[in-house]
Amino acid sequence: QKEVEQDPGPLSVPEGAIVSLNCTYSNSAFQYFMWYRQYSRKGPELLMYTYSSGNKEDGRFTAQVDKSSKYISLFIRDSQPSDSATYLCAMTLPTGNQFYFGTGTSLTVIP
Amino acid sequence: GAVVSQHPSRVICKSGTSVKIECRSLDFQATTMFWYRQFPKQSLMLMATSNEGSKATYEQGVEKDKFLINHASLTLSTLTVTSAHPEDSSFYICSAERVNEQYFGPGTRLTVT
Repeated sequence: QKEVEQDPGPLSVPEGAIVSLNCTYSNSAFQYFMWYRQYSRKGPELLMYTYSSGNKEDGRFTAQVDKSSKYISLFIRDSQPSDSATYLCAMTLPTGNQFYFGTGTSLTVIP
Repeated sequence: GAVVSQHPSRVICKSGTSVKIECRSLDFQATTMFWYRQFPKQSLMLMATSNEGSKATYEQGVEKDKFLINHASLTLSTLTVTSAHPEDSSFYICSAERVNEQYFGPGTRLTVT
């Protein structure tokens, strides 16, 4: 079983839709959770960084962590064509010395 | 499937020495691998694209003579930090491409004293 599971998609939504991206994980010791956005041939850009259960909001983006279910989500409200990219979840142990990445979900927002 | 490993996971070296980091795709062949650098709580910065059998393509601002990349086989790419200095201390992450998807290694934490 992989440490981190993420549905690769592709996911296609109309402009203005609410997008839900999800990852599940198996190691309950993971403490820090991240979401990255990656455009083609670019490095992943850090979108959200959380370290506890609950919600964290930043503009149109909301990151949700449910440690009891080992499940994290990224919600994008009022999605825009510029949100079209691959979204990666990642997590680390308390030491922060090793990253565990999801495989990424490809998102296309159609105008 | 689609596992990427990095070795070593942590390395501490003295200033002026060189350090080699290996990135391996364990169960697939990758003609293209990528090397990233990450500072705490920041985005991964793409350093270079490594293509098997040819010279790496470096991003602007990355010194190719300092960060030597070799992609000698379809499952192995290496990054050598030459004459390392404390400012090179960072987290280095590689990824390997398979069918338009990237699979990331766990990263290597380099500390230069």
